[in-house]
Amino acid sequence: NAGVTQTPKFQVLKTGQSMTLQCAQDMNHNSMYWYRQDPGMGLRLIYYSASEGTTDKGEVPNGYNVSRLNKREFSLRLESAAPSQTSVYFCASSEPGTPRGNIQYFGAGTRLSVL
Amino acid sequence: QKEVEQDPGPLSVPEGAIVSLNCTYSNSAFQYFMWYRQYSRKGPELLMYTYSSGNKEDGRFTAQVDKSSKYISLFIRDSQPSDSATYLCATYTGANSKLTFGKGITLSVRP
Repeated sequence: NAGVTQTPKFQVLKTGQSMTLQCAQDMNHNSMYWYRQDPGMGLRLIYYSASEGTTDKGEVPNGYNVSRLNKREFSLRLESAAPSQTSVYFCASSEPGTPRGNIQYFGAGTRLSVL
Repeated sequence: QKEVEQDPGPLSVPEGAIVSLNCTYSNSAFQYFMWYRQYSRKGPELLMYTYSSGNKEDGRFTAQVDKSSKYISLFIRDSQPSDSATYLCATYTGANSKLTFGKGITLSVRP
């Protein structure tokens, strides 16, 4: 059981380039999330998808777009990368509505540097 | 004021020490409390999960919640170098609500 899988693990971009971060989960969870983690800032929610077909903004959505491709996959796109988007990005999933449903399971992260 | 405050540390202790990690929160509607552990260059993983006030013990780890003072604690007994990681507290109000995380504290246990 792989859990939550993120690709790529590392990426270096130049300012203005675009890229898509991929996330897939095999736990049949309805909800999926994208966070960024920066030193001293903790985990900040970028976007989330409560269920297939829905997406909502989190705390820091500017400069990002998301797609919930199907129940398993949730991608994060940077259309025009900026140095301020240098960060570690985590995808997570959960199954709300069950007794421990708000527990989120995280992927290993994508380390992104924007030069 | 952020909804969940956590001492940023870092914290360094000798092996075998008792470690106390703490968070405070402001929203009295929070009912469920968790501690995540994050090793370097890895994703956070659930360590402890508790509901409402009281203590929960799992091996060398004890999670404590005091709702009257809005205080969350994680105690680590007989700390080991393998406990060196970042610890994040998290909480939520109920079903279908999002998690609110503390910023995390980095613990180093010296052999």
